[in-house]
Amino acid sequence: KAGVTQTPRYLIKTRGQQVTLSCSPISGHRSVSWYQQTPGQGLQFLFEYFSETQRNKGNFPGRFSGRQFSNSRSEMNVSTLELGDSALYLCASSWGQENTGELFFGEGSRLTVL
Amino acid sequence: QKEVEQNSGPLSVPEGAIASLNCTYSDRGSQSFFWYRQYSGKSPELIMFIYSNGDKEDGRFTAQLNKASQYVSLLIRDSQPSDSATYLCAVRVSGGGADGLTFGKGTHLIIQP
Repeated sequence: KAGVTQTPRYLIKTRGQQVTLSCSPISGHRSVSWYQQTPGQGLQFLFEYFSETQRNKGNFPGRFSGRQFSNSRSEMNVSTLELGDSALYLCASSWGQENTGELFFGEGSRLTVL
Repeated sequence: QKEVEQNSGPLSVPEGAIASLNCTYSDRGSQSFFWYRQYSGKSPELIMFIYSNGDKEDGRFTAQLNKASQYVSLLIRDSQPSDSATYLCAVRVSGGGADGLTFGKGTHLIIQP
């Protein structure tokens, strides 16, 4: 079956702009999580959505937001981009049960902020 | 602040030997433990998870958990060059917690042919 699909795969923005990233989870998966990966900080949790509701949120500023649609597809938005937002943004899906870290990651969206 | 610590490596192991990867965590409330493998330029993939103290074996992989000492390890037997990758340890607090999965920064493993 198809894996987690993220679009776009690569994008370049300038400071102050905003960006929207999209994620389509594995069919049947109801939970979508977003992570930021950088060489210095590693993988850091952004937020998790389940049944269109944000279930968990990491320690990122309010410029980072997300949402989930009724078909479980998710988007994340970063407003007022900063140079430090350059990173690989990974989406991961899971069935959605409580207390699971059994995540299936997409290939990521690599964001470069100039 | 929940922390997961791993030796960044690189850890170099001869082909056929046992690779031992270690991870410590700070939050005693952590209930679930995961090992992800990430090849260069690729996304992480789950290889093992463990929820209870002791050992859990899956093929050439064994995960070990010691909650009293707050460490989790991954053993790879009969190491192959294809095992060369970065191994990420991740923990999750039961009940969902507030932070999703907390990842270590990973150990870079190199299997020498």
